Amino acid sequence: EIVLTQSPGTLSLSPGKRVTLSCRANQSISSNYLAWYQHKVGQAPRLLIFGASTRATGIPDRFSGSGSGTDFTLTISRLEPEDFAVYYCQQYGSSPATFGGGTKVEIK
Amino acid sequence: QVQLVQSGAEVKKPGSSVKVSCKASGGTFSTYAVSWVRQAPGQRLEWMGGAIPMFGTTNYSQKFQGRVTVVVDESTSTAYMDLRSLTPDDTAVYYCVFGALPLHYFDSWGQGTLVTVSS
Repeated sequence: EIVLTQSPGTLSLSPGKRVTLSCRANQSISSNYLAWYQHKVGQAPRLLIFGASTRATGIPDRFSGSGSGTDFTLTISRLEPEDFAVYYCQQYGSSPATFGGGTKVEIK
Repeated sequence: QVQLVQSGAEVKKPGSSVKVSCKASGGTFSTYAVSWVRQAPGQRLEWMGGAIPMFGTTNYSQKFQGRVTVVVDESTSTAYMDLRSLTPDDTAVYYCVFGALPLHYFDSWGQGTLVTVSS
């Protein structure tokens, strides 16, 4: 199965900052089938991005995804207070679907 | 977007089974694939298996093959996940998720069900 490694593990940042999160796969992800989720404590994860770069319905345009093959990035152009959460990547190009270990974005 | 409501928390003994339900509303149930994803404490999210109601098919992660069953009742728009031979390592939050296929991104998630396995 495809193993996804996210980095860094934790980011401590102030609101208004630009954030770049990394997701690296141990083999190429077919058709760039890579999704990103936001997960807050006590809530269900929320789909942000699919197909590496397509925003899901209702997701603000400060969230953007990029990358291909084995290296993918989620960027938050300017952190809002509600963006502090854990972010997961997921590949769905090869069965079984697998998730990264997550990056926690916390308030500095 | 479909809304998913799961059954409540469970406490189980090792060796027993658990059945978690997931009721869907606000969408056409049979056009989705339903999967189950779990997250054990300190661990990453993990896809367990899924079903496509329209085709009556299921597929499971090799890790859970033989121990998990996903069943769909289209008449009540409810999906069930049955996990057998529980061990403390099965202590986790279990989510039902909807996507176009079991191998897909998941755009609807249930609220999660905590299953605790302890003697």
